[in-house]
Amino acid sequence: EAQVTQNPRYLITVTGKKLTVTCSQNMNHEYMSWYRQDPGLGLRQIYYSMNVEVTDKGDVPEGYKVSRKEKRNFPLILESPSPNQTSLYFCASSWSGRLYEQYFGPGTRLTVT
Amino acid sequence: QQPVQSPQAVILREGEDAVINCSSSKALYSVHWYRQKHGEAPVFLMILLKGGEQKGHDKISASFNEKKQQSSLYLTASQLSYSGTYFCGTANTGGFKTIFGAGTRLFVKA
Repeated sequence: EAQVTQNPRYLITVTGKKLTVTCSQNMNHEYMSWYRQDPGLGLRQIYYSMNVEVTDKGDVPEGYKVSRKEKRNFPLILESPSPNQTSLYFCASSWSGRLYEQYFGPGTRLTVT
Repeated sequence: QQPVQSPQAVILREGEDAVINCSSSKALYSVHWYRQKHGEAPVFLMILLKGGEQKGHDKISASFNEKKQQSSLYLTASQLSYSGTYFCGTANTGGFKTIFGAGTRLFVKA
């Protein structure tokens, strides 16, 4: 089954404790992206990647890191999480030829206390 | 800059029609629409690439007027399954960065 998977789905952590949210897709998509969703603000892009080893900032990259060492994986790293990073996070992927037809993962709900 | 969606929320009875608008202060090269049902991930509906282009997806269609820098999503004879939040998205000039509107919450009641 074609899908984007994220782990963990739910996470409660404390300020300053480094964490990684994994994202993996099995569709051989070149483009991958991370979004955060907050009430009233919609989906805001954090980082995106056009292909392996090619990443760039979205609209809200502060406090996040990403890497793309393999085509199928695109982990999101929070080196020192803060309460304002409490949010619902989505990973998405798409073919480079149909960039805007993105397939979203199920989401990761992160709470930082 | 985030596109502006209107209305923010709408309540319909089954069978009624609705229009959701998406406008931008910057030039639009494409507009894409997604629907997110409660507790689920967003799902792609359609993309519009040319001025004045219209597309359809079941009884949901959309138009894109690049001169007016706006797109409209038309939901005809709404069904209970149409309930959810609708997002329009646009691309930056280079095309790789995606910017979504804040969303329009649609609730269809029986």
